[in-house]
Amino acid sequence: DVKVTQSSRYLVKRTGEKVFLECVQDMDHENMFWYRQDPGLGLRLIYFSYDVKMKEKGDIPEGYSVSREKKERFSLILESASTNQTSMYLCASIHRQEPHFGDGTRLSIL
Amino acid sequence: KQEVTQIPAALSVPEGENLVLNCSFTDSAIYNLQWFRQDPGKGLTSLLLIQSSQREQTSGRLNASLDKSSGRSTLYIAASQPGDSATYLCAVQGTYKYIFGTGTRLKVLA
Repeated sequence: DVKVTQSSRYLVKRTGEKVFLECVQDMDHENMFWYRQDPGLGLRLIYFSYDVKMKEKGDIPEGYSVSREKKERFSLILESASTNQTSMYLCASIHRQEPHFGDGTRLSIL
Repeated sequence: KQEVTQIPAALSVPEGENLVLNCSFTDSAIYNLQWFRQDPGKGLTSLLLIQSSQREQTSGRLNASLDKSSGRSTLYIAASQPGDSATYLCAVQGTYKYIFGTGTRLKVLA
């Protein structure tokens, strides 16, 4: 069974901090994604990666960057956290056209 | 730009009722369409995947249909149960990206 693990379920940070959200998948998938989910806006794609060291901007990349140094790990970085980045962050990897999601990280920026 | 809409946003039904959730999309050039379930505070679980060449898929009490030409999909849930209470999201796949609807929040009353 595919497993996508996000390092934290809940995280509280302060404005201006650099924040790292980690995602690890155990099935050697090439494609990985970061979404944020907000009430009334649904899931919006921040960044995705289709191979090691490759990354593509999604629909809302501003204020974020990503890192994919190893195939199994895809990190989302908030360069200088702001209150409007308070959200639920979901990571996914894709196997046979089917995305598999982690349980999400609920991030609060104070 | 692809847009995905789900109606209704919320639905409350008595146990045992058959129900239909709707999903519409603006660009018919899709690879596939998927329905997901999301429980509170959790990630997404894939329910049904319909390839662009298919018209429907069934799994247990769930049946999903796809009409690409009209940009519509429906998720039919037969004999609903309280355990079906969750948010249901549809998503369409383009080249790499999945575009999600905002979901229908379903509550099945015992």
